[in-house]
Amino acid sequence: RKEVEQDPGPFNVPEGATVAFNCTYSNSASQSFFWYRQDCRKEPKLLMSVYSSGNEDGRFTAQLNRASQYISLLIRDSKLSDSATYLCVVKYSGGYQKVTFGTGTKLQVIP
Amino acid sequence: GAVVSQHPSWVICKSGTSVKIECRSLDFQATTMFWYRQFPKQSLMLMATSNEGSKATYEQGVEKDKFLINHASLTLSTLTVTSAHPEDSSFYICSATVPASNQPQHFGDGTRLSIL
Repeated sequence: RKEVEQDPGPFNVPEGATVAFNCTYSNSASQSFFWYRQDCRKEPKLLMSVYSSGNEDGRFTAQLNRASQYISLLIRDSKLSDSATYLCVVKYSGGYQKVTFGTGTKLQVIP
Repeated sequence: GAVVSQHPSWVICKSGTSVKIECRSLDFQATTMFWYRQFPKQSLMLMATSNEGSKATYEQGVEKDKFLINHASLTLSTLTVTSAHPEDSSFYICSATVPASNQPQHFGDGTRLSIL
């Protein structure tokens, strides 16, 4: 089993739709969680951190469920510019702050 | 602005050439940097952890003699792909942990390596 798993998609949604991605992680010692966005042929960029209480940033909402070991990302009112690959990132406690990336979920927003 | 600079951004070489990629931390000291590789339509895969002043730590399955890492200063790590072959063609990205940052890692812009 992979340490961090995501549905690779692609998710093809119309503009204005709401879409949700889930990510599961296997190591219960996981410390911090993030969603990154990666555009084609570009480096990943931080979209948002994920907090236990859930957090929202505009159209984006992130949730963490430690008991079930998954995190989610909800995108409301999808825009064409949201088309990208969304990477789930897990950081483990201790060590030299190594992080593990999920395989990414590809989102394509269609006009 | 960018906190991690990577150079070059694009390389096209003949098979058998060795290619060096530089990763620099800007305005901060990075005792640890990370090198990733990403093949088309696949996720980022950690290749190695670069430690300033000591040997790099390679992930399982990554040939240390093939991918030479040097981290001789607190602001520079280099990855050299020795005797590159077409199967080494990939997107290589470095990252570093920035002190007091809310991000787990900051990435360079990446290097797209194409071996003909």
